[in-house]
Amino acid sequence: NAGVTQTPKFQVLKTGQSMTLQCAQDMNHNSMYWYRQDPGMGLRLIYYSASEGTTDKGEVPNGYNVSRLNKREFSLRLESAAPSQTSVYFCASSNIHSNQPQHFGDGTRLSIL
Amino acid sequence: TQLLEQSPQFLSIQEGENLTVYCNSSSVFSSLQWYRQEPGEGPVLLVTVVTGGEVKKLKRLTFQFGDARKDSSLHITAAQPGDTGLYLCAGAGGTYKYIFGTGTRLKVLA
Repeated sequence: NAGVTQTPKFQVLKTGQSMTLQCAQDMNHNSMYWYRQDPGMGLRLIYYSASEGTTDKGEVPNGYNVSRLNKREFSLRLESAAPSQTSVYFCASSNIHSNQPQHFGDGTRLSIL
Repeated sequence: TQLLEQSPQFLSIQEGENLTVYCNSSSVFSSLQWYRQEPGEGPVLLVTVVTGGEVKKLKRLTFQFGDARKDSSLHITAAQPGDTGLYLCAGAGGTYKYIFGTGTRLKVLA
């Protein structure tokens, strides 16, 4: 059972380049999330999708877009990467009720030069 | 804006010692979760507390939710090197999302 799979694991971009981070879950979860993790700041929510067909902004959505492609897949796109977006990005999934645990992928380490 | 402050930010202790990590907020949360994260991996859920004053135990780890549901603590008894990692608390910030704390990085020395 793979759980939550993120690709790629590492990426280096130049300022202004675009890229899409991919996330897929095989647990039949309704909700999916994108976070970024920076030193001393815990995890900050970028966007989330409560259910297939819906997406909502989190705490730090500026500079990002998302697509809930289907129930399994939730992608995060950086249209014009900036050095401030250098971070580790985590995707998570959960069932719809907030007391349910979130299951996380292993992260994508992204560096913007 | 809901914020969760964790303390201490870093903790280095000897094997066998006890420790407590705190998670504090001025906001009320309907539930609170604790996660542990190891290098190169995503966080893994340890426990969810829902009721004010609730205490849950997971082997040598004891979790408590404050009576007012604004704070929580994690106590580890007789810490072991395998307890090393980043501990994160997360409060329910709405029906579908959690607000994460700033994290406590624990290192247990053998």
